[in-house]
Amino acid sequence: AQSVTQLDSQVPVFEEAPVELRCNYSSSVSVYLFWYVQYPNQGLQLLLKYLSGSTLVKGINGFEAEFNKSQTSFHLRKPSVHISDTAEYFCAVRFSGSARQLTFGSGTQLTVLP
Amino acid sequence: SAVISQKPSRDICQRGTSLTIQCQVDSQVTMMFWYRQQPGQSLTLIATANQGSEATYESGFVIDKFPISRPNLTFSTLTVSNMSPEDSSIYLCSVEGDRENQETQYFGPGTRLLVL
Repeated sequence: AQSVTQLDSQVPVFEEAPVELRCNYSSSVSVYLFWYVQYPNQGLQLLLKYLSGSTLVKGINGFEAEFNKSQTSFHLRKPSVHISDTAEYFCAVRFSGSARQLTFGSGTQLTVLP
Repeated sequence: SAVISQKPSRDICQRGTSLTIQCQVDSQVTMMFWYRQQPGQSLTLIATANQGSEATYESGFVIDKFPISRPNLTFSTLTVSNMSPEDSSIYLCSVEGDRENQETQYFGPGTRLLVL
């Protein structure tokens, strides 16, 4: 079965500390991988995506993610977070042959503490 | 990326009534998607809407409850019919990117619905 798992529902971290938000997927077919961010009372904004090529992808706001095919993971990282990074982060996967829809993880609430 | 707007941005409705949500895109797109985000939950796909054809609904969603229109390549509506408090959610539309970003979906700001 195809699924997406975000292992941490909440991640508190102090300002200027590094952070990693974890995402794993289960699939027997090829995938496209995405991270979206949702600020309070807003829609979803694309942070970054992996389609092919280099497994390390860089996105907006200093975020990056690494695709690990053997571990079926796509973890999101930032070396130094800011208060303004406080938001909900969603990992999403498009499975090959899935009629172009996205399957979302359950989300991770990142809270940056002063 | 496309600029997507939704109307209304939020609404409070009485049970038993219906609400139609509009999604407008600033460029022509082939596929549009409607998602529901229940309070504190992730996004669930309701249906996929192609211009000129019937929408394709996901398991657990039916046309009588969530009728969708797609009259042209820049516009779609989702109606939430005969509402109950369980329909209180954020409803988001999304579109695929242009030819160079076709694998990527871009989202509107969402419509926040509260049913009393």
